[in-house]
Amino acid sequence: QVQLVESGGGVVQPGRSLRLSCSASGFTFSNYGMHWVRQAPGEGLEWLAFIWYDGSNKYYADSVKGRFTISRDNSGNTLYLQMNSLRAEDTAVYYCARDGSLLEVDYWGQGTRVTVSS
Amino acid sequence: QSVLTQPPSVSGAPGQRVTISCTGTDSNIGAGYHVHWYQQLPGTAPKLLLYDTNNRPSGVPDRFSGFKSGASASLAITGLQAEDEADYYCQSYDSSLSRVFGGGTKVTVL
Repeated sequence: QVQLVESGGGVVQPGRSLRLSCSASGFTFSNYGMHWVRQAPGEGLEWLAFIWYDGSNKYYADSVKGRFTISRDNSGNTLYLQMNSLRAEDTAVYYCARDGSLLEVDYWGQGTRVTVSS
Repeated sequence: QSVLTQPPSVSGAPGQRVTISCTGTDSNIGAGYHVHWYQQLPGTAPKLLLYDTNNRPSGVPDRFSGFKSGASASLAITGLQAEDEADYYCQSYDSSLSRVFGGGTKVTVL
């Protein structure tokens, strides 16, 4: 079965960096585009970034463009999110998710929590 | 401010029918892009509930159904059950090359 397991969250000071990872299993990772989506405490879902199956194209939400970078290692079945210049408003649970064939998000990980605080 | 607009909350008694609206614009739902719905139970990750307006992934009960017209879509839950108490999100694609979500609707079973 499809499994997505995020890691790398934690508490970080404003202005610092953090890299999240998402380990994928149960499907052919290199055949699927992948997303990062976050959810701030008590808030709704916010799409952050998408990467094509082969890593050749990447798209970002305006709120993180220039600060966050999505990447992938298809040989290791792993998705990454490099987060730089973190702000308090980046505090959220970060989900990695698989792209479906109709532009939906068909599978989600359990999320990893990031807290930006001094 | 979410790109897709949903009511913050809806409620109903067990067995009743509730609907959740999702209003977009000409750059997303109104442009003909698919609408999808997600259910998020308390303390858990979201789960795909309906895709392409009204298609249910395996395991989703048929009391969940969806509709789309113009730049709007809706999710209906018929025969509301206590286990349906959750947050529900609509999602589409936007011509700005991004995925967009609604702000979410909390369904309360009275």
